[in-house]
Amino acid sequence: QAGLTQPPSVSKGLRQTATLTCSGNSNNVGNEGADWLQQHQGHPPKLLSYRDNNRPSGISERLSASRSGNIASLTITGLQPEDEADYYCSAWDTSLSARVFGGGTKLTVL
Amino acid sequence: EVQVVESGGGLVQPGRSLRLSCRGSGLNFGDYAMSWVRQAPGKGLEWVGFIRSKADGGTTDYAASVKGRFIVSRDDSKSIAYLQMNSLKIEDTAVYYCYSDTVMVPLEYWGQGTLVTVSS
Repeated sequence: QAGLTQPPSVSKGLRQTATLTCSGNSNNVGNEGADWLQQHQGHPPKLLSYRDNNRPSGISERLSASRSGNIASLTITGLQPEDEADYYCSAWDTSLSARVFGGGTKLTVL
Repeated sequence: EVQVVESGGGLVQPGRSLRLSCRGSGLNFGDYAMSWVRQAPGKGLEWVGFIRSKADGGTTDYAASVKGRFIVSRDDSKSIAYLQMNSLKIEDTAVYYCYSDTVMVPLEYWGQGTLVTVSS
């Protein structure tokens, strides 16, 4: 089942800004927008942002999401050690009638 | 406080069946679609399937990799969703997570997951 494309890893320094990308197509990201999840090792995923740039309550304002066409982005400013985690994008695919995930990006905070 | 708790995982032989349960509390369970996602050891997230709320028809959709083998169902009177897994394969080995969905907020509430190991 076709998924979304994410870079496997991104490394940035403490207090720097990281931008994670997610590439899909017009049936998923380009249509319904992207959702973003964070997963720390040994823990379940946690919703960070949905339908491009809606943050659930309790999610830091240092996180913001956006989309341009079929490419979604998650930007994290002022990186902290606790931001080190795996980040997944996801979207509903209208042609597959299925939810698709990206392969995940491992964010390392140096 | 909303809680989603999976149960029913364990060791099972290839070709056998297993049923997972997902109990929700602190939410109006019947208003939510309930979905299953799995994560093989050291791998990323893979969507498995879901069941819509009764108000949205109670219908199901599945990933191609499990279609015809897995069945999602729900019992709103007990606030439980089920994942019936048949004809299990070694590659079905994973932590299985359950999460709640609404049209307004997808992927909202997640359980801690339950490990399914398919091995002879």
